[in-house]
Amino acid sequence: SQELEQSPQSLIVQEGKNLTINCTSSKTLYGLYWYKQKYGEGLIFLMMLQKGGEEKSHEKITAKLDEKKQQSSLHITASQPSHAGIYLCGADGTGANNLFFGTGTRLTVIP
Amino acid sequence: EAGVAQSPRYKIIEKRQSVAFWCNPISGHATLYWYQQILGQGPKLLIQFQNNGVVDDSQLPKDRFSAERLKGVDSTLKIQPAKLEDSAVYLCASSRMGASNEKLFFGSGTQLSVL
Repeated sequence: SQELEQSPQSLIVQEGKNLTINCTSSKTLYGLYWYKQKYGEGLIFLMMLQKGGEEKSHEKITAKLDEKKQQSSLHITASQPSHAGIYLCGADGTGANNLFFGTGTRLTVIP
Repeated sequence: EAGVAQSPRYKIIEKRQSVAFWCNPISGHATLYWYQQILGQGPKLLIQFQNNGVVDDSQLPKDRFSAERLKGVDSTLKIQPAKLEDSAVYLCASSRMGASNEKLFFGSGTQLSVL
């Protein structure tokens, strides 16, 4: 079965530092989604990447999808306490738009 | 625009009891999903509806879980009887048409504790 592996599992950074979270699939993906989840809440959509080599940015967050569409990275520049939470990558493996998710990366930002 | 609504927010039951969760998707969204998220894991799809028909329920434990979306709008997920391992957050999500590469909108979830 298809799986998404995220690394690292958890990350603690000082406010103002940059960080990168990775998401790797064993198979080519139809689409790759990044969501953020705060404790006790639902998932908030961040970005979706479709094409190999695609890169998108929103405020201080940039996501990239590699040419083979099997690996994605999420980069946060000058992290803030508001960036803290669990970052989940999700993918559509079949084209039916029902996503499966990685196990998440828990980000803590120390003021 | 109102988001995906779920209730209750929290539920505590004893094993072998029954429980039901309710979801109201974003108005006009044809596709509705139920996910189970066990602590420390990513969400796992249980069932996907397109209007009132089932698209995928391959990971739904059908001996104890059931879900319906009778009028193609609201949905109910039921567990009967509950087991300890059912303790999780149950997330409902919806998307406009269920087309490939369409964004999913999630509700805040129902946190279930089975004692």
